Amino acid sequence: GAVVSQHPSWVICKSGTSVKIECRSLDFQATTMFWYRQFPKQSLMLMATSNEGSKATYEQGVEKDKFLINHASLTLSTLTVTSAHPEDSSFYICSARPLGESYEQYFGPGTRLTVT
Amino acid sequence: GQNIDQPTEMTATEGAIVQINCTYQTSGFNGLFWYQQHAGEAPTFLSYNVLDGLEEKGRFSSFLSRSKGYSYLLLKELQMKDSASYLCAVRRPSNDYKLSFGAGTTVTVRA
Repeated sequence: GAVVSQHPSWVICKSGTSVKIECRSLDFQATTMFWYRQFPKQSLMLMATSNEGSKATYEQGVEKDKFLINHASLTLSTLTVTSAHPEDSSFYICSARPLGESYEQYFGPGTRLTVT
Repeated sequence: GQNIDQPTEMTATEGAIVQINCTYQTSGFNGLFWYQQHAGEAPTFLSYNVLDGLEEKGRFSSFLSRSKGYSYLLLKELQMKDSASYLCAVRRPSNDYKLSFGAGTTVTVRA
């Protein structure tokens, strides 16, 4: 149980285009989903917190108009990188916190984004 | 602010023991996690400490001292598959379950 999937697992796009990444909790409902970014050999940096039915809250320094988050249901959150640039190339990982869970959050397998 | 420090790399021999230290200076504390992450994969949960002391789970144990802002992850009877990055993460004190991660410690297990 407690499986989180991400789609796509990797994507290559051209500079200036937009890319949508999906995060799904497969066997549980998630009150909250988190979006992280990880550059090579660096740790995970929290970008934003997504709550179902409400606006996402962004960490300081993260542009909300560039990284659009939609949490449409208790099992799906999407991150759209708009007008992507090469510096947005990174590993994007989501995690989901189950309803009623006291502290645990489960991570997705990540999406490798390369912007050319 | 959040300042979480852990060594960058450690190397050990198969069958040995390795201790990964993590020190933190954070604006509030609500628990500390250890995750294992293989290259290109998602982190997987290893342990969660919220009270002082040692938590043992099979070959892995985690220790916390809140007064010292210090934790360690102990890996015993190392296996080749334990070669991975180990991430220390502090849960922020607010009621939103956000985590702040250290940079991770890459452990290499050699035969």
